[in-house]
Amino acid sequence: EPEVTQTPSHQVTQMGQEVILRCVPISNHLYFYWYRQILGQKVEFLVSFYNNEISEKSEIFDDQFSVERPDGSNFTLKIRSTKLEDSAMYFCASSDGGANEKLFFGSGTQLSVL
Amino acid sequence: SQQGEEDPQALSIQEGENATMNCSYKTSINNLQWYRQNSGRGLVHLILIRSNEREKHSGRLRVTLDTSKKSSSLLITASRAADTASYFCATGVRDDKIIFGKGTRLHILP
Repeated sequence: EPEVTQTPSHQVTQMGQEVILRCVPISNHLYFYWYRQILGQKVEFLVSFYNNEISEKSEIFDDQFSVERPDGSNFTLKIRSTKLEDSAMYFCASSDGGANEKLFFGSGTQLSVL
Repeated sequence: SQQGEEDPQALSIQEGENATMNCSYKTSINNLQWYRQNSGRGLVHLILIRSNEREKHSGRLRVTLDTSKKSSSLLITASRAADTASYFCATGVRDDKIIFGKGTRLHILP
């Protein structure tokens, strides 16, 4: 079965540094998402992306965050200046029907900000 | 604000028993989905029920939806040790936003 892949699986960074989390969604999907989960707790919506633009974003997704689909296959999440509270597991997901269909999730990137 | 709230937060049952988890939500929805997460892993889709449906089955899973009460339940019958995981409900609230609840941690005892 096709799957969403995320790299790296673990990322350690210093506070204030920029990080880029990478995702390769399922090839024929058109809707892309980023979620984060802190310490196995609630899964928080960050942003959705369709047709090369952000379609929805949460209050968490402030000016420090950006997303990009640079080459038609990758989908990236950039955090410009990381904070301690950005430490979390970040999940990428994709769908062929947006919020009307199921999401396929990657295995996540564990981000640790020191 | 959180859209979905699962109940209970944690549930321990004996293998072979049925497990029931509930989800309540606040706003109008297009659909409601249930996902499973094994510890530290990605979420896996289990079942989707649309707002005009009342019940849906998939293998040992049974999902109900009551839009008048803004609630859903997930029933896992004849539980197995491998069902130990966290279970999340997720609501599709607009065209491109799916909001997850806090999850129920299910532990199946041997």
